[in-house]
Amino acid sequence: EVQLVESGGGLVQPGGSLRLSCAASGFTFSNHWMHWVRQAPGKGLVWVSRINSDGISTNDADSVKGRFTISRDNAKNTLYLQMNSLRAEDTAVYYCASTYLRPFDLWGRGTLVTVSS
Amino acid sequence: DIVMTQSPDSLAVSLGERATINCKSSQSVLYSSNNKNNLGWYQQKPGQPPKLLIYWASTRESGVPDRFSGSGSGTDFTLTISSLQAEDVAVYYCQQYYSTPYTFGQGTKLEIK
Repeated sequence: EVQLVESGGGLVQPGGSLRLSCAASGFTFSNHWMHWVRQAPGKGLVWVSRINSDGISTNDADSVKGRFTISRDNAKNTLYLQMNSLRAEDTAVYYCASTYLRPFDLWGRGTLVTVSS
Repeated sequence: DIVMTQSPDSLAVSLGERATINCKSSQSVLYSSNNKNNLGWYQQKPGQPPKLLIYWASTRESGVPDRFSGSGSGTDFTLTISSLQAEDVAVYYCQQYYSTPYTFGQGTKLEIK
């Protein structure tokens, strides 16, 4: 089965760090661009970051630039999001998504990150 | 950044009736090199991830009922549900993937009248 499964979310204090993971299965992970998209409670979808298939090229939203780093380990079929200097406004469900066959056609179920003291 | 603006913010439609959601981008999302509009439509139900309905503005994703259709080009796009079913109650988002940041519209909440 083709799927993405996020993990690593939880409660963290403002200024803290967290690393999210997204495990891919059922497809050749190393062939596909990957993204992180987040959704604050009761709010809309916000694109966060993307990484190309070999991990060389990345792009980030201005709101996370310099604080979040997207990366991937193609040998482990895993996407990461290292989140530093976390703020209350980073509280959200974080989804990983892929352009599997079509743009943004494959999504994980998300992992909740709560930034609070 | 490309700003995506959806209208209306919420919509109540009777079962079996047509529902229309509009999406406007602040600049064209049409790639002239391949003549494709880099625009997708998603459906999100509570507690679930977004589900791709339409890509390249008008191509229906596999498995999506044919009552869903997308149209438009350049900066103006429409998602139409031809005959609303109870299971279509959800929030709908458009998204441009023409240039980063890949911005979403604010969402349209669709309910049954």
